[in-house]
Amino acid sequence: KQEVTQIPAALSVPEGENLVLNCSFTDSAIYNLQWFRQDPGKGLTSLLLIQSSQREQTSGRLNASLDKSSGRSTLYIAASQPGDSATYLCAGRSYGNKLVFGAGTILRVKS
Amino acid sequence: NAGVTQTPKFRILKIGQSMTLQCTQDMNHNYMYWYRQDPGMGLKLIYYSVGAGITDKGEVPNGYNVSRSTTEDFPLRLELAAPSQTSVYFCASTRGLAEPYEQYFGPGTRLTVT
Repeated sequence: KQEVTQIPAALSVPEGENLVLNCSFTDSAIYNLQWFRQDPGKGLTSLLLIQSSQREQTSGRLNASLDKSSGRSTLYIAASQPGDSATYLCAGRSYGNKLVFGAGTILRVKS
Repeated sequence: NAGVTQTPKFRILKIGQSMTLQCTQDMNHNYMYWYRQDPGMGLKLIYYSVGAGITDKGEVPNGYNVSRSTTEDFPLRLELAAPSQTSVYFCASTRGLAEPYEQYFGPGTRLTVT
């Protein structure tokens, strides 16, 4: 059974800092891994999706990597801004096109 | 495209009442999903559907029922509501076993059972 863990549970950084959010999964038979952003009281917005055959994906200041052998994915945010404050969720897609979610990392970027 | 829409946005139920959460997508996606999110937790899969007329249980199906009579709609039914069903419910959809694989989410329904 796939389990997804995110560390840290919460993170507070000053504006401008580069930061890394971590996601680990137990079953390496993962088809892809998706990172989401969730603002308070809102739904999920997809940020990046990495296929199992890929090592990383980039979008603007965001870079996500995937290492299936170690069961890890990281989301790198460059030059963080207060507008980046949100909860970040990772989810692995397993057999049957089902996503298994981590509990999320709550990010606060202080101005 | 409106994407994935959900109604209602908020609802308060008394213990033992029933209700249906509505979900509609206009992207002609085959796969649809219902998740619940409890405070401080990730999302857990309740039910999913791979096409009209086909549904299957997820991780936490007890107390819920679904149907899929059309490609667009995937309602979630709560029978005999219990306080443990207080949660935020998200509907999602994806094309299926072909690119793009991304799941698209609705804005959620916040349900309180008292």
